[in-house]
Amino acid sequence: DQQVKQNSPSLSVQEGRISILNCDYTNSMFDYFLWYKKYPAEGPTFLISISSIKDKNEDGRFTVFLNKSAKHLSLHIVPSQPGDSAVYFCAASGDASGTYKYIFGTGTRLKVLA
Amino acid sequence: DGGITQSPKYLFRKEGQNVTLSCEQNLNHDAMYWYRQDPGQGLRLIYYSQIVNDFQKGDIAEGYSVSREKKESFPLTVTSAQKNPTAFYLCASSTSLAIYEQYFGPGTRLTVT
Repeated sequence: DQQVKQNSPSLSVQEGRISILNCDYTNSMFDYFLWYKKYPAEGPTFLISISSIKDKNEDGRFTVFLNKSAKHLSLHIVPSQPGDSAVYFCAASGDASGTYKYIFGTGTRLKVLA
Repeated sequence: DGGITQSPKYLFRKEGQNVTLSCEQNLNHDAMYWYRQDPGQGLRLIYYSQIVNDFQKGDIAEGYSVSREKKESFPLTVTSAQKNPTAFYLCASSTSLAIYEQYFGPGTRLTVT
């Protein structure tokens, strides 16, 4: 059972436009969420996080929105740049056991077209 | 420069052989993790360790073993019992086993034939 889902395996966006990557989760106990960016044959790099006590967190061109009632988060990249082309993973953590293991989604491959 | 190193980047082994993947960090992080990534799938947790001499099974620990004798080192052994060992293996660390972001190494691609 996939607790963290990224239903769009790929997304293409024109340079300068907004990229919106979506992530849904099923476990209402999750209370901390992260986004990672990954280039081929490299380890993921941390982008931005959000705690469940917030509904928005911004860092430069990257903004993450959290809708707890819908169990949905999204990553907005504005403006999109060709260097943003990568696979983006969302991850969620926090459960009743208190063991903060992260559950990762399957990733969305973003292609920014010049 | 602080970071996580994994070696080698590419590893080839014959079926039936055990193989050990190296992971070293100089970030002074207490927690370390091993993940596996397969095409079209997310990262799946193999083992994690909160402190030295302590480690816990993740979601797909069967066929793997780890040790944590030093804070900075967390090697992963892929044993012959692992049915599908060919994958991209990622090591990560974090300040503690809590709600902190994890920092990843560059990964090791293991191919078993």
